[in-house]
Amino acid sequence: DSGVTQTPKHLITATGQRVTLRCSPRSGDLSVYWYQQSLDQGLQFLIQYYNGEERAKGNILERFSAQQFPDLHSELNLSSLELGDSALYFCASSVQGTHEQYFGPGTRLTVT
Amino acid sequence: GENVEQHPSTLSVQEGDSAVIKCTYSDSASNYFPWYKQELGKGPQLIIDIRSNVGEKKDQRIAVTLNKTAKHFSLHITETQPEDSAVYFCADSNSNSGYALNFGKGTSLLVTP
Repeated sequence: DSGVTQTPKHLITATGQRVTLRCSPRSGDLSVYWYQQSLDQGLQFLIQYYNGEERAKGNILERFSAQQFPDLHSELNLSSLELGDSALYFCASSVQGTHEQYFGPGTRLTVT
Repeated sequence: GENVEQHPSTLSVQEGDSAVIKCTYSDSASNYFPWYKQELGKGPQLIIDIRSNVGEKKDQRIAVTLNKTAKHFSLHITETQPEDSAVYFCADSNSNSGYALNFGKGTSLLVTP
């Protein structure tokens, strides 16, 4: 158990809908990263937050957004969902000043 | 980000043999190279990492080597066991991208008894 929690574990929704994925980092970790894992694209970095502020952006679609709250949990919002958005979404957390990232168990999103 | 190439994509070894997975990177600014193990239905688990100021690191049966000049790094697993069967990912990162991980495509390792 990495100490990173993600909810929900599974999510099934229809095209055009909007969903919110939630992540709680390990105790003491200030940084949260979101990654998408799909068969064709592999593991891809989406976005990073550090202590409430956006720090880095990767291959994140404009339909996707995220935020980190004062209690350090983070939410990833996916809107206007398409079939191709079906994937595993992971968040990872790390402590300021270190590189090590610890991953949560992921949320499996299925868009039908 | 720039590419991380990982080989092989699949690897089958007999229990007790060694397994080697190789990665190459292209970003000269990369200075951190972790390896993750992902079992079915789980998130990636950090198993070992190496920084650019170190050439080799070992942790029990697992070792990682880094050749900065050639821009490649490798994972070595000795005395493999069936529970080592999983998908292994290499990655690189640097401070320019907030240490976001840039992953290879993964190696599916099967250890047969």
